[in-house]
Amino acid sequence: DAGVIQSPRHEVTEMGQEVTLRCKPISGHDYLFWYRQTMMRGLELLIYFNNNVPIDDSGMPEDRFSAKMPNASFSTLKIQPSEPRDSAVYFCASMRGGGGELFFGEGSRLTVL
Amino acid sequence: GENVEQHPSTLSVQEGDSAVIKCTYSDSASNYFPWYKQELGKGPQLIIDIRSNVGEKKDQRIAVTLNKTAKHFSLHITETQPEDSAVYFCAARRSGSGGYQKVTFGTGTKLQVIP
Repeated sequence: DAGVIQSPRHEVTEMGQEVTLRCKPISGHDYLFWYRQTMMRGLELLIYFNNNVPIDDSGMPEDRFSAKMPNASFSTLKIQPSEPRDSAVYFCASMRGGGGELFFGEGSRLTVL
Repeated sequence: GENVEQHPSTLSVQEGDSAVIKCTYSDSASNYFPWYKQELGKGPQLIIDIRSNVGEKKDQRIAVTLNKTAKHFSLHITETQPEDSAVYFCAARRSGSGGYQKVTFGTGTKLQVIP
């Protein structure tokens, strides 16, 4: 299996620009998660989906953040407009069933200048 | 909600020595405790987990212990090797019927194994 695939691996953008991060979960996994990792706050859960439906978005910091999962093999996390404090590593993870193991992608490192 | 505290935040050991990382949790209903290893530039990867019906679990040089009464659990790495250098996260979760329950992560321990 190819694992969770994220793109881009690195993104440098200027404040005010739109950023779109992409994720392909492991085939057959019905849960998908978006996490943000910073030195100050550690690993934060932003949102998760079950069978392509958003279940809990209480971790999304502001309305500037949005996430979609149009089908079982693709999800996006969008930040519009981006701000320097959004700089972080964003991880996508997937899981089979509610009690299974979390499989993380390699992350997208975002730098907003 | 659940709160997981992890100590120490950094740990340096000589190659061949043991390393111990400790975590405490607050929710007595938590019954699943995974440990993740994050190498530089990569995502966290599960290395071992323990459920509340056992007190200890081993996998080669790695072991986890759980004390439900005290609500703490630990990761033990013996005969450390340079490739063990990474950031380690503990986590806690309720696990059972009713679908997904949120995983709460500790703040991480950066382990450095000195050759």
